[in-house]
Amino acid sequence: DGGITQSPKYLFRKEGQNVTLSCEQNLNHDAMYWYRQDPGQGLRLIYYSQIVNDFQKGDIAEGYSVSREKKESFPLTVTSAQKNPTAFYLCASSIAVASSYNEQFFGPGTRLTVL
Amino acid sequence: AQKVTQAQTEISVVEKEDVTLDCVYETRDTTYYLFWYKQPPSGELVFLIRRNSFDEQNEISGRYSWNFQKSTSSFNFTITASQVVDSAVYFCALSATLYGQNFVFGPGTRLSVLP
Repeated sequence: DGGITQSPKYLFRKEGQNVTLSCEQNLNHDAMYWYRQDPGQGLRLIYYSQIVNDFQKGDIAEGYSVSREKKESFPLTVTSAQKNPTAFYLCASSIAVASSYNEQFFGPGTRLTVL
Repeated sequence: AQKVTQAQTEISVVEKEDVTLDCVYETRDTTYYLFWYKQPPSGELVFLIRRNSFDEQNEISGRYSWNFQKSTSSFNFTITASQVVDSAVYFCALSATLYGQNFVFGPGTRLSVLP
């Protein structure tokens, strides 16, 4: 079945450590996104990528980094520079470049907790 | 600036009641798309509907219906004869051509349907 997978489902990190969240899609979508969800605040865009080897900062990119070496993969690294990383992270993808028409498809999310 | 407001933070209803979730948006773009997503307790966002700014026809899908009114910049969602399985967080989102593929999400409304 086509879809988006995220791993791990739960992740615990000690302060000062970098961690990488995985996102893989087999929908052949060009665009991929990372969102952060905090209680009562909806989804906020961290980074997005419209094509391989290209990505753009979203609204809250500080303390995060991404790469897009393959069309199907868009990993997110939460660095030690991120002041408050405990949150629920959602990865999404959509079909085409430069079109606001297309809905985004979401993965099941990764819940990151900093100990 | 683009903005989506969902004034109802939480709603509780008893099974079989009808419930309406409000969504008000702001955009300067004349071409835009509005979306509703459902986030069940599992965490994954599920796409429900897309509506473009030129189509103000209301839509019905089973127990779900949507009322789009450009005059009031609203895109409200009604669930008829609610069921316990409808319990979830519902997000309204806006995507406009000026913003490319980037979505602006509302803060979400948590719906609890009690048996």
